[in-house]
Amino acid sequence: NAGVTQTPKFQVLKTGQSMTLQCAQDMNHEYMSWYRQDPGMGLRLIHYSVGAGITDQGEVPNGYNVSRSTTEDFPLRLLSAAPSQTSVYFCASSSSGLHTDTQYFGPGTRLTVL
Amino acid sequence: QKEVEQDPGPLSVPEGAIVSLNCTYSNSAFQYFMWYRQYSRKGPELLMYTYSSGNKEDGRFTAQVDKSSKYISLFIRDSQPSDSATYLCAMSAQTSYDKVIFGPGTSLSVIP
Repeated sequence: NAGVTQTPKFQVLKTGQSMTLQCAQDMNHEYMSWYRQDPGMGLRLIHYSVGAGITDQGEVPNGYNVSRSTTEDFPLRLLSAAPSQTSVYFCASSSSGLHTDTQYFGPGTRLTVL
Repeated sequence: QKEVEQDPGPLSVPEGAIVSLNCTYSNSAFQYFMWYRQYSRKGPELLMYTYSSGNKEDGRFTAQVDKSSKYISLFIRDSQPSDSATYLCAMSAQTSYDKVIFGPGTSLSVIP
């Protein structure tokens, strides 16, 4: 099992550029999510999905899009990058609620927007 | 006031010391409490999970919840250099992960 994988590990963008952060899991988990981690802020939820074809917004969704066409993949799209989106992005997955299952995190993507 | 507060540190202790990491929160509806460990340039990993009040022990780690004071703690006994990491507390009023609120984390260094 590779667990949760994320690509790329690092990325530098210019303001206004768009890009997609990739996330994949091989544990057949229904629940997947994207977080951003900023100094002093803790992890903040961007978007999440409870299964293929179903997505919903988290705490900080503006400027990001997601889709879930398969159980395995959950890409995060930055539509027009802004310096405020400079952050470390983590993808996570779990099979059910926190009372019964652990949420597994990927290694992260470090994004810098100039 | 942030919903979950945590002293960011850094906290530096000698090997073998007992470490106490703490979080306070404001939402009295929180009943699920977690501690995550995050090594440098890695994703968080779940360390301890506690439901409601009380203590939970797992090896050198003890999680303590005091709902009356809205205060949770993680104790590490006989700390090791491999415990050097950032520790995130997290909590939720519901069982779905999209409702979990994370603290900002405390950076811990255990010096050999």
